[in-house]
Amino acid sequence: EAQVTQNPRYLITVTGKKLTVTCSQNMNHEYMSWYRQDPGLGLRQIYYSMNVEVTDKGDVPEGYKVSRKEKRNFPLILESPSPNQTSLYFCASSLVMAGTWDYTFGSGTRLTVV
Amino acid sequence: SQQGEEDPQALSIQEGENATMNCSYKTSINNLQWYRQNSGRGLVHLILIRSNEREKHSGRLRVTLDTSKKSSSLLITASRAADTASYFCATVLSGGGYNKLIFGAGTRLAVHP
Repeated sequence: EAQVTQNPRYLITVTGKKLTVTCSQNMNHEYMSWYRQDPGLGLRQIYYSMNVEVTDKGDVPEGYKVSRKEKRNFPLILESPSPNQTSLYFCASSLVMAGTWDYTFGSGTRLTVV
Repeated sequence: SQQGEEDPQALSIQEGENATMNCSYKTSINNLQWYRQNSGRGLVHLILIRSNEREKHSGRLRVTLDTSKKSSSLLITASRAADTASYFCATVLSGGGYNKLIFGAGTRLAVHP
């Protein structure tokens, strides 16, 4: 089944403790992206990657890192999480086709930083 | 500011009624997409309409696009309780190695049995 898999689904952590949220897709998509969703603010893009070793900042990249060493994986790294990073996170992938950009989203990771 | 803005923010209807949600956007687009999100869950892609299309159907969904008004609408006919969810429109800004899917704030639809 074609899908984007995020892990973990839920995570509670303490301020300053490094964590990684994994994202993997099995559709051979070039494009992958991370979003966070907050009440009243909608979904905002954190980082995106157009292909292996090609990453760039989205709208809210502060406090986050990403890497794209392999096409299928796009982990989101919080080196020193803070309470304002408590949010619902989504990973997405898409083929890079002119005029299409049909995204597939993961099921989400609900992160709480205390 | 957000590229897509949905209207209304919330909609409450009875089963069997039709639900119409509207979306406005600001810049020129290649396509506009509608997504559905059940409470706290992932987004599910519903339908994509290209800028050269005016109307598209998928099951009980009907999407229209008016590029002159920079607006789109999603109609769900004969709604069911299972249609209760948030619905988002999204547009793609891309070019020069840059890509972003921009979402509106969404419409929360409640369908009562």
